[in-house]
Amino acid sequence: KAGVTQTPRYLIKTRGQQVTLSCSPISGHRSVSWYQQTPGQGLQFLFEYFSETQRNKGNFPGRFSGRQFSNSRSEMNVSTLELGDSALYLCASSPGQGAYEQYFGPGTRLTVT
Amino acid sequence: AQKVTQAQTEISVVEKEDVTLDCVYETRDTTYYLFWYKQPPSGELVFLIRRNSFDEQNEISGRYSWNFQKSTSSFNFTITASQVVDSAVYFCALSEVILTGGGNKLTFGTGTQLKVEL
Repeated sequence: KAGVTQTPRYLIKTRGQQVTLSCSPISGHRSVSWYQQTPGQGLQFLFEYFSETQRNKGNFPGRFSGRQFSNSRSEMNVSTLELGDSALYLCASSPGQGAYEQYFGPGTRLTVT
Repeated sequence: AQKVTQAQTEISVVEKEDVTLDCVYETRDTTYYLFWYKQPPSGELVFLIRRNSFDEQNEISGRYSWNFQKSTSSFNFTITASQVVDSAVYFCALSEVILTGGGNKLTFGTGTQLKVEL
């Protein structure tokens, strides 16, 4: 089975712009979660989608949003980018119900200048 | 609130040494899951193990072993006969079981950088 894929792998944006990141889960997985990794804050949970619905949400401002499509692919959007949004954004997929292990993609490295 | 503490920021060992990575967690839940992930320089988090709160049996997988002790809220990870390829950042994580709506979210520790040298 192919693993979790994320596009793009690297992105450079300017403060104030918006960005959309994409994630394709492992085939058959219905849950997609997003995490932000920074040197200062470590790995933090952003949100989880399951069957096109946001099921859980972390403590991030409303500038961070996401969605999931009927084929389980997910996108996350960050509007009005700030310098502090520079991070590695990781997507993870799992089969769905219960606390299954999550399988992570390679991440998207976002740099905000 | 849930919390995971990995007090060891960085560990350096010589190849073939055994090394133990510590993980201490806090949760008020009676049902929860614990995980270990490995993050090599490429950045992708690699799943290593999942353990639920009702299963305190130790686990061994090749050179890897895990010791879960509920009494001390610890879930330590030992690599036997370490190799250079084991060099990575290792994360311990805790997942609460969300009863309403289901799903889960991982709370990660800050990670331990393991360097294995020849």
